[in-house]
Amino acid sequence: EIVMTQSPATLSVSPGERATLSCRASQSVSSDLAWYQQKSGQAPRLLIYGASTRATGISARFSGSGSGTEFTLTISSLQSEDFAIYYCHQYNSWPPGFGPGTKVDIK
Amino acid sequence: EVQLLESGGGLVQPGGSLRLSCAASGFTFGSHVMTWVRQAPGKGLEWVSTLRTSGGETSYADSVRGRFTLSRDTSENTVYLQINTLRAEDTAIYYCARGTVAGIGGGKYYFDYWGQGTLVTVSS
Repeated sequence: EIVMTQSPATLSVSPGERATLSCRASQSVSSDLAWYQQKSGQAPRLLIYGASTRATGISARFSGSGSGTEFTLTISSLQSEDFAIYYCHQYNSWPPGFGPGTKVDIK
Repeated sequence: EVQLLESGGGLVQPGGSLRLSCAASGFTFGSHVMTWVRQAPGKGLEWVSTLRTSGGETSYADSVRGRFTLSRDTSENTVYLQINTLRAEDTAIYYCARGTVAGIGGGKYYFDYWGQGTLVTVSS
């Protein structure tokens, strides 16, 4: 089973600043990596799949990169609506797995 | 518009059972997989089960295998998660999500639409 880790656990960022979130897989998942955003009291929302492809309707502020075991989600200029928890998800092999999440909060 | 509507959650005693439903609309049911993901209070996301709606094959997390059963009614575009022998650690919001195949070859799915979830509480 592939284990996903994320860092940092919490990221404090000022509005307008860039946020960089990391996700690591215990073994290669190729580019089979997705990112989700979850706001308090809401369901997760798909942001990125295939490590770098934005989902439909997702702002260009969000970008994903990486392959193999190291991945990054970058939010170029944080807006108030971007403060949330972000999860990565590998779907390269069964069982699929999620990272523990990174909480992005207001500095 | 893709919509997923879960129902069936509630308060149940340890050892009890529930059946969760997820009614899907706005897409061709047989062209996607359907998945349940759960989230315990204050915790992260945990994959529970996936069903391939075209052929009916299912996969389960080790933590639920043998207690949970995922099935479908293609005439109603609905999937059902039968959960038996409930334990306190099964307490969570259960989300239904649509899985879309990634690339060619099959077997790899990301979850592009999610329902709002249904809360299952296991307590005496």
